[in-house]
Amino acid sequence: GQQLNQSPQSMFIQEGEDVSMNCTSSSIFNTWLWYKQDPGEGPVLLIALYKAGELTSNGRLTAQFGITRKDSFLNISASIPSDVGIYFCAGQIGDNRKLIWGLGTSLAVNP
Amino acid sequence: DGGITQSPKYLFRKEGQNVTLSCEQNLNHDAMYWYRQDPGQGLRLIYYSQIVNDFQKGDIAEGYSVSREKKESFPLTVTSAQKNPTAFYLCASRATSGLSGANVLTFGAGSRLTVL
Repeated sequence: GQQLNQSPQSMFIQEGEDVSMNCTSSSIFNTWLWYKQDPGEGPVLLIALYKAGELTSNGRLTAQFGITRKDSFLNISASIPSDVGIYFCAGQIGDNRKLIWGLGTSLAVNP
Repeated sequence: DGGITQSPKYLFRKEGQNVTLSCEQNLNHDAMYWYRQDPGQGLRLIYYSQIVNDFQKGDIAEGYSVSREKKESFPLTVTSAQKNPTAFYLCASRATSGLSGANVLTFGAGSRLTVL
């Protein structure tokens, strides 16, 4: 089946550093979603992207829908301890109502 | 506040017992989903339902069953046929209008099932 390659798998950074993670696929997507999951909780939507080239911000978070429609990245600026968690990308291909999920990027922030 | 409620949050069961996880939403969403999450494996789709009285198998449906008798409710039964049921289970819902925002899933807080 279709797959999303999400990288890096994990990151350990110092508070205040910027973070970048991305998802790539061999398939063309028409929607990219970025979620954050805190330990023991359900994922929460951070940013939704619907057009190739779209760049969207949500506070310190910025995400872009790649021009080729096969990739997306998420940047976090000036990280803080509450950024800790697992970040997932998810995408939709065509009219398929099932989202395809990356395996997540686990972020740890050292105060 | 609108949202999705999953219960129980934690559940312990003996091997061989069926268990049912509850999922209720008051978002007026048409579609509902059940995912299983294991460490390092991301989210895997068990079952989904686009409309009342209809549901489809996801990628890992074996050993699970669902029903969708009401728009608000989508319970998941983990049967004794599921070989490795210990996991974190997530329920989600989605509006199915034509708006682009309709692709977004809203998740519940999850239910952690441990089989002893």
